[in-house]
Amino acid sequence: DVQMTQSPSYLAASPGESVFISCKASKSISNYLAWYQQKPGEANKLLIYSGSTLQSGTPSRFSGSGSGTDFTLTIRNLEPEDFAVYYCQQYYEKPLTFGSGTKLEIK
Amino acid sequence: QVQLKESGPGLVQPSQTLSLTCTVSGFSLTSYNVHWVRQPTGKGLEWMGVIWTGGSTDYNSALKSRLSISRDTSKSQVFLKMNSLQTEDIATYYCARDNSDSYYFDYWGQGVMVTVSS
Repeated sequence: DVQMTQSPSYLAASPGESVFISCKASKSISNYLAWYQQKPGEANKLLIYSGSTLQSGTPSRFSGSGSGTDFTLTIRNLEPEDFAVYYCQQYYEKPLTFGSGTKLEIK
Repeated sequence: QVQLKESGPGLVQPSQTLSLTCTVSGFSLTSYNVHWVRQPTGKGLEWMGVIWTGGSTDYNSALKSRLSISRDTSKSQVFLKMNSLQTEDIATYYCARDNSDSYYFDYWGQGVMVTVSS
């Protein structure tokens, strides 16, 4: 199975700041990587797929980069609604696997 | 619009079988694949399996011996059955639709919490 190592597991930041979340795959997954946002009481939201392609409706302050084994989710100019848990997911091969999550909290 | 909604009992006795339903709207099960993903409270997401547009299935090998996914296309419903439930199966269970070209999830249900207890 492809192991996805996500870091940090916890991140505190203030509105207006930028944050970076890392996701590393245990083998090359090309760009078969998605990022999701999870909030209590809401359906999980797809933010980015193919490593860097924004899903329709995702604000432009979100961006994804990387390929192979190393990926980064960047959120610039944090808005209050961005404080949530973020997960990466590889879909290069089955079983599909997720990172362990990054909880982004308001500082 | 696209919607997925999970339903089923919130409480299952140890060693019994979990049965969940995912009712979808806004798309056809013969055009999009539907997956099941679960999340133990406070933990990460685990992919369980998928029913493909043609009706075949694939399962996570860690759960394969206990898991069955099926569907009723006329009712736009996907079913999950997992037997021999134990406390480690306590989780929120989600159904999700994939993109149909690639296996990332563009729509998710809100999830259903399942507890295992006598």
